[in-house]
Amino acid sequence: EIVLTQSPATLSLSPGERATLSCRASQSVSSYLAWYQQKPGQAPRLLIYDASNRATGIPARFSGSGSGTDFTLTISSLEPEDFAVYYCQQRSNWCSFGQGTKLEIK
Amino acid sequence: QVQLQESGPGLVKPSQTLSLTCTVSGGSISSGGYYWSWIRQHPGKGLEWIGYIYYSGSTYYNPSLKSRVTISVDTSKNQFSLKLSSVTAADTAVYYCARGIQLWFVYWGQGTLVTVSS
Repeated sequence: EIVLTQSPATLSLSPGERATLSCRASQSVSSYLAWYQQKPGQAPRLLIYDASNRATGIPARFSGSGSGTDFTLTISSLEPEDFAVYYCQQRSNWCSFGQGTKLEIK
Repeated sequence: QVQLQESGPGLVKPSQTLSLTCTVSGGSISSGGYYWSWIRQHPGKGLEWIGYIYYSGSTYYNPSLKSRVTISVDTSKNQFSLKLSSVTAADTAVYYCARGIQLWFVYWGQGTLVTVSS
């Protein structure tokens, strides 16, 4: 089983700031990593797949990078609607999710 | 636009079988290339993938749940289903159905809370 560890658990920032979220895999997942955003009471929304490809309709301020075991989701300039929980997911060895990073307003 | 909708009992007794159905609209469940999946989220916690049924009918389950899980499809109704046997309080969660392409999940149901309690 591949374990995904996200850091930090909570990130407190202000609108307009840059957010950097990390996801580390217990073994290489190549580029088979995705990022999701989840708001309270809603299903997750796919943001990034294959480590760096934005899903349809996702704003350009969201970007993903990394390969192997270390991955980053960057939000270049936070908008009020970006404050949510973010999950990474791998599909290299079936499927598993990280435990999430909560992005909260400072 | 593809839409998914979960349905089933919101309360299940311990040791019984949890049964949920996902109804797909806006697209055929027989369309090639999709992984029809179940994912759950324990209250206040992260996401746990339960398993999928591929459009061809093949299935794969999370090894930690494999002995208790069955996912099946009814193409005539454009539905797929989840059965989880011998449930305990640890199975209390919001259950989502989702459509995956290459196991990336774009389309999700809104989720249904299932509580295991006597």
